[in-house]
Amino acid sequence: NAGVTQTPKFQVLKTGQSMTLQCAQDMNHEYMSWYRQDPGMGLRLIHYSVGAGITDQGEVPNGYNVSRSTTEDFPLRLLSAAPSQTSVYFCASSSTEGRHGYTFGSGTRLTVV
Amino acid sequence: AQSVAQPEDQVNVAEGNPLTVKCTYSVSGNPYLFWYVQYPNRGLQFLLKYITGDNLVKGSYGFEAEFNKSQTSFHLKKPSALVSDSALYFCAVRDSVYGGATNKLIFGTGTLLAVQP
Repeated sequence: NAGVTQTPKFQVLKTGQSMTLQCAQDMNHEYMSWYRQDPGMGLRLIHYSVGAGITDQGEVPNGYNVSRSTTEDFPLRLLSAAPSQTSVYFCASSSTEGRHGYTFGSGTRLTVV
Repeated sequence: AQSVAQPEDQVNVAEGNPLTVKCTYSVSGNPYLFWYVQYPNRGLQFLLKYITGDNLVKGSYGFEAEFNKSQTSFHLKKPSALVSDSALYFCAVRDSVYGGATNKLIFGTGTLLAVQP
């Protein structure tokens, strides 16, 4: 009954530090994506992947890297954290066909000081 | 470009009254439309979807939504609101430019529903 698992749930970083947000799903979904949620701006797509070895940029990719070495895992890397990256990050997955919508993780609340 | 608009930042309704949360969309081709709900400090949960078929779609927790192609709307409704329905609601549309290949979802900015007892 795991669905999409995100770790950590909370993180505080200093400006310039790097870190990786983990995301794993156990539903054999091909499609995975990362969003950030900011007040008044809804969810904005950072990066997405349509399968292992394939990734692409979303709406706000700058400052973030992703990789997809397995179907299950889709980590998001912050290369050099900036205060503008303070946000809540959500990972989501779905079947490629997309008729059933997304399954979301519970989120990572990141603060960059 | 595909887009979704939720014109109301907040909707206030008394418990027991009907509620409507508005959503309009702009896509090329036939839309896949979704509603999600987010409770405080939680991830988004799927409520309902429209893919094809009947324009009135029923979902979780007694919610329903009406697809109106001529008005390009997909408003969320519930006949009798509960205090526990208070949450943030997001409308989303699948990006039809990429079709099924990438399955990107475009989200609205969200509407905060506040149900007063």
